[in-house]
Amino acid sequence: DAKTTQPPSMDCAEGRAANLPCNHSTISGNEYVYWYRQIHSQGPQYIIHGLKNNETNEMASLIITEDRKSSTLILPHATLRDTAVYYCIGSYNQGGKLIFGQGTELSVKP
Amino acid sequence: DTEVTQTPKHLVMGMTNKKSLKCEQHMGHRAMYWYKQKAKKPPELMFVYSYEKLSINESVPSRFSPECPNSSLLNLHLHALQPEDSALYLCASSRLSGGSNEQFFGPGTRLTVL
Repeated sequence: DAKTTQPPSMDCAEGRAANLPCNHSTISGNEYVYWYRQIHSQGPQYIIHGLKNNETNEMASLIITEDRKSSTLILPHATLRDTAVYYCIGSYNQGGKLIFGQGTELSVKP
Repeated sequence: DTEVTQTPKHLVMGMTNKKSLKCEQHMGHRAMYWYKQKAKKPPELMFVYSYEKLSINESVPSRFSPECPNSSLLNLHLHALQPEDSALYLCASSRLSGGSNEQFFGPGTRLTVL
């Protein structure tokens, strides 16, 4: 499973886009990139995942570089409820482990 | 039903007690997981069940005993725990088809060992 590196904290103004970077330079060709978030004292929440192509769902967009060494999670219009720790994880095994790094603590401010 | 439920929400137990944590999902997922999360740390995997069989044990002490009675239920039996075992215990589930491994988590059980 790929080692990931994320900034420990970021701020974002409410209503603006939040762009959360992740470096995963050791990712292998069959490893997906997953993003989860954890709001204080709750269980982690799945956000989005991708392999090679950019992905978008109702929560966020995921931009993966062509060499797959890094990715960016985009929350297009951040709200106060998006304040959470965001985890970027590389994993390929179905039924395998997710190795959570330290994540990025995103604070959305009014 | 797209939820993973966990009971109880909170549990306080003494070091000589025996208790169990319960997890349930009705999404038809055939993989289920236990994670442990200490305060201000990321979740750490403890056990994985695939098709109701234990497939991964991350060298967890035997005072934690997992059980998967059927494809929807996952238990974690606790016995002779130590105060350092106090943590948030998270259950998750995922499907075992389609190539990807997105896991869906329950809200957790906050365990305090006195």
